[in-house]
Amino acid sequence: GAVVSQHPSWVICKSGTSVKIECRSLDFQATTMFWYRQFPKQSLMLMATSNEGSKATYEQGVEKDKFLINHASLTLSTLTVTSAHPEDSSFYICSPQGDRRANEQFFGPGTRLTVL
Amino acid sequence: DAKTTQPNSMESNEEEPVHLPCNHSTISGTDYIHWYRQLPSQGPEYVIHGLTSNVNNRMASLAIAEDRKSSTLILHRATLRDAAVYYCILTNFGNEKLTFGTGTRLTIIP
Repeated sequence: GAVVSQHPSWVICKSGTSVKIECRSLDFQATTMFWYRQFPKQSLMLMATSNEGSKATYEQGVEKDKFLINHASLTLSTLTVTSAHPEDSSFYICSPQGDRRANEQFFGPGTRLTVL
Repeated sequence: DAKTTQPNSMESNEEEPVHLPCNHSTISGTDYIHWYRQLPSQGPEYVIHGLTSNVNNRMASLAIAEDRKSSTLILHRATLRDAAVYYCILTNFGNEKLTFGTGTRLTIIP
């Protein structure tokens, strides 16, 4: 399967600070990136979809000015949580997809964000 | 989007087979049945997928009902490492965004 990395794997920050999460697809070119978040004991919820070089498309209820997504290259996408608050504490997971139809989708290992 | 229904939780003894059911009564003719699992504190990983016929791979088997309104993921010999949340998801095309339901939390009893 594809190799996907996320950095950091966990982060603790103070309320009001911004946190950047990186997602790298190490062995294929990701033309599309899905960002999910998962609150404790809940399922994954799609936050946004981005295509390389384009602006991200956000799901209903996800603030685009709060969750900044950059997908400037085919191997790297970043999610920045701006002015984080305790309610943003969650498990953030990226899922890069290539430009060819695939039978399986790949996911990063996740980043656990805790906002104090 | 077509929905799936899974039991919230299941238990199984180690080294025994596990059958995880999934109902998808509104499945369309072009929907593929995908299974993913999520181990604790990790991202999801692909398990298996099928369209109409039963499928086998090194991880599991997928049995699809003749009317395609239900399917069963079969782990032939569960190990402690199979303890995870298993998601049954319908997709129309391999690269689309996935809609995760609540899944089945599988507990393996030593």
